[in-house]
Amino acid sequence: GEDVEQSLFLSVREGDSSVINCTYTDSSSTYLYWYKQEPGAGLQLLTYIFSNMDMKQDQRLTVLLNKKDKHLSLRIADTQTGDSAIYFCAETGHLTSGTYKYIFGTGTRLKVLA
Amino acid sequence: NAGVTQTPKFRVLKTGQSMTLLCAQDMNHEYMYWYRQDPGMGLRLIHYSVGEGTTAKGEVPDGYNVSRLKKQNFLLGLESAAPSQTSVYFCASSGRRYEQYFGPGTRLTVT
Repeated sequence: GEDVEQSLFLSVREGDSSVINCTYTDSSSTYLYWYKQEPGAGLQLLTYIFSNMDMKQDQRLTVLLNKKDKHLSLRIADTQTGDSAIYFCAETGHLTSGTYKYIFGTGTRLKVLA
Repeated sequence: NAGVTQTPKFRVLKTGQSMTLLCAQDMNHEYMYWYRQDPGMGLRLIHYSVGEGTTAKGEVPDGYNVSRLKKQNFLLGLESAAPSQTSVYFCASSGRRYEQYFGPGTRLTVT
């Protein structure tokens, strides 16, 4: 079945790099995503990667995709206290009506220590 | 341009009561979705819509109904609330199939 797994917690010091990992099961996923959720807020799309790419960089964010191992990671360089949030990995799963559903992981709570 | 908005933000219901959650988007998106978020379980899809007048079931549709009478609105109804429906509900919309925009959420408690 479709499943996305993430570790629940990560703690880093301000200025260090953070690496959040995710494994997924559906090898047919077209896109894989990283969302950020701050306390009391909705999910904000951070970045996504197309399944035929290995890496995508966007300012402080680097996404690495290992399709063979079905492993996705998000690296945040120079982590700041404002990066403290829950980060969700998601893959696309197909719906019969021609659109996609997202399959979300349980989220990784990132805590940045000053 | 407000994006995706949800009303209400918070609600407390007694078991057996009914309510409707409203989602509105001003991006002219075709696709709209309702998710629920529970601790340790990520988000799960309740119902979705691929256009005005259409609805379809997601992973956890039982106990919920939806309607999409207007393109910009997607309503989620609970006819007889149960404590198991205590959750945070998120609406999302997308124009392109691979990018979803989320509302701020509705926190519902059923006692």
